[in-house]
Amino acid sequence: KAGVTQTPRYLIKTRGQQVTLSCSPISGHRSVSWYQQTPGQGLQFLFEYFSETQRNKGNFPGRFSGRQFSNSRSEMNVSTLELGDSALYLCASSPPQPRTQFFGPGTRLTVL
Amino acid sequence: DQQVKQNSPSLSVQEGRISILNCDYTNSMFDYFLWYKKYPAEGPTFLISISSIKDKNEDGRFTVFLNKSAKHLSLHIVPSQPGDSAVYFCAASVWGGSEKLVFGKGTKLTVNP
Repeated sequence: KAGVTQTPRYLIKTRGQQVTLSCSPISGHRSVSWYQQTPGQGLQFLFEYFSETQRNKGNFPGRFSGRQFSNSRSEMNVSTLELGDSALYLCASSPPQPRTQFFGPGTRLTVL
Repeated sequence: DQQVKQNSPSLSVQEGRISILNCDYTNSMFDYFLWYKKYPAEGPTFLISISSIKDKNEDGRFTVFLNKSAKHLSLHIVPSQPGDSAVYFCAASVWGGSEKLVFGKGTKLTVNP
């Protein structure tokens, strides 16, 4: 099976812009979660989608949003980018059992 | 507050010896624990997991031990190999209809030849 794929792998944006990141889960996985990794805060949960519904959301401002499509592919959007949004954004997918999340390679976002 | 803690930022061991990485948690509702290995600028790679109904799980060179009363888990790698050098993350989740992983800050393992 192909692993989790994320596009693009690298992005450079300027403050105030918005960005959309894409994630394709492992075939058959219906749960997709997003995480942000920064040197200071480590790996932090953003949100999780299952069957096109957001099931859980982390403690991030409303500028961070996401959605999931009927084929389980997911996108996350960050509007009005700030310098502090520079991070590695990771997508993970998981089957119902076992409860293991498999991560993609990530998207490195740099905000200038 | 940090619910999952990895108190050792780094660990150095000799090739062939045992590596022991530790993780403590505070939330007694966590019922599933995982270890991931990560290289810079890459996504975490799943290594091994354990459910709270068990106290040990083995997969090849990797063994995870869970001590629920102490809220402590550890990952043993035997024997350690230079290719094991990476950052190791402990993660935990609570079953509640959603799989939100709470991660520790990671431990950088260096295996010296």
